[in-house]
Amino acid sequence: DTGVSQNPRHKITKRGQNVTFRCDPISEHNRLYWYRQTLGQGPEFLTYFQNEAQLEKSRLLSDRFSAERPKGSFSTLEIQRTEQGDSAMYLCASSLAAGGIKGGYTFGSGTRLTVV
Amino acid sequence: DAKTTQPPSMDCAEGRAANLPCNHSTISGNEYVYWYRQIHSQGPQYIIHGLKNNETNEMASLIITEDRKSSTLILPHATLRDTAVYYCIVSGGPTNDYKLSFGAGTTVTVRA
Repeated sequence: DTGVSQNPRHKITKRGQNVTFRCDPISEHNRLYWYRQTLGQGPEFLTYFQNEAQLEKSRLLSDRFSAERPKGSFSTLEIQRTEQGDSAMYLCASSLAAGGIKGGYTFGSGTRLTVV
Repeated sequence: DAKTTQPPSMDCAEGRAANLPCNHSTISGNEYVYWYRQIHSQGPQYIIHGLKNNETNEMASLIITEDRKSSTLILPHATLRDTAVYYCIVSGGPTNDYKLSFGAGTTVTVRA
């Protein structure tokens, strides 16, 4: 297993456009998380899935954001009508449930979004 | 989640031990202490975690005080590749076994 994979690594988009990011977790991990990190700050929790169920969404996740995890495998994060304030690094992580957090997440390298 | 307090930055000489402090005075009895680090332009990397006892793995050692209000991450022989932002996080209680709340962390610079 090569770890958590995120694509694309970089995305530049014009304000108002829609963007979609993909995350492929470690295959045996049933939990998947999305975080956002702006420059100089630590990552902030956005949402997480256990298998295909989205169990919590942060208030940071406005209605322009939607995340899916069909069949409990890969996940996508879509941002509609992007704004300059959406510019950030979007990080995906995965873990085992029921005590997986006690062993730590595995993060991907992130997708850096720049909205111009 | 309990909040943590870390120094914003510290320097360390290559080959020497790096001791990174963290205060978490409001930690509850069933919350764990986690350490992650983030090297520039990469995602955070899990280092170690503990509940009450001291822990050691191939990367680091974690020393937790008896009252659990503070901890120290020890990198035994720092190398230039250990230059990163180090985050101390408290999480894992019964109401939250899924969310990590990152603060600003400690920027560690290892110098040759």
